[in-house]
Amino acid sequence: AQKVTQAQTEISVVEKEDVTLDCVYETRDTTYYLFWYKQPPSGELVFLIRRNSFDEQNEISGRYSWNFQKSTSSFNFTITASQVVDSAVYFCAFRGGGATNKLIFGTGTLLAVQP
Amino acid sequence: NAGVTQTPKFRVLKTGQSMTLLCAQDMNHEYMYWYRQDPGMGLRLIHYSVGEGTTAKGEVPDGYNVSRLKKQNFLLGLESAAPSQTSVYFCASSTSTDRGVRSGANVLTFGAGSRLTVL
Repeated sequence: AQKVTQAQTEISVVEKEDVTLDCVYETRDTTYYLFWYKQPPSGELVFLIRRNSFDEQNEISGRYSWNFQKSTSSFNFTITASQVVDSAVYFCAFRGGGATNKLIFGTGTLLAVQP
Repeated sequence: NAGVTQTPKFRVLKTGQSMTLLCAQDMNHEYMYWYRQDPGMGLRLIHYSVGEGTTAKGEVPDGYNVSRLKKQNFLLGLESAAPSQTSVYFCASSTSTDRGVRSGANVLTFGAGSRLTVL
């Protein structure tokens, strides 16, 4: 069965600290896709990034970076120099190789950035 | 371009009442989904549709029905609401084919959510 685990339920940091959100997945598929979504206090779900299983290249976008390691089945998300506006729930999600685009979500990590 | 619109945004029901949540998308997406979000459980898929006139069960379909009579609309119905259906419901849509983005799979676009309370 496919599964996404976000073991960190809540993280609290002080502004300007770096923080890493962990995501571990389980699958037997050889082709799959991983996602991160952000849910700010306003409640909407905002897409952040998508990776596919055959592209382990890490990605950096401004203060955000993602580390994908197939060897450890992990897709971790790092925020550098965190800001109060980064406070949100972050979801990691998995999609298998089928044709329906169904996403399996982790339980989310609540990040609180204190000023 | 409104994206994905859900109505209503809030609703309070009594146990046993029925209601329908409407999801409308204007992006000409083939696929549509209904998820529910509960504290500590992330988002769980209720039902989905891969095209007009087709629907399929997701992870937690019991107590819900859906219909996709038009490509742009996906309705989620509760025939006899129960307190366990108190949740925030999210609709999402996506294309059915890769549009050439490097990472190779289709992004789900979500609506703003509908908060349902069943007393």
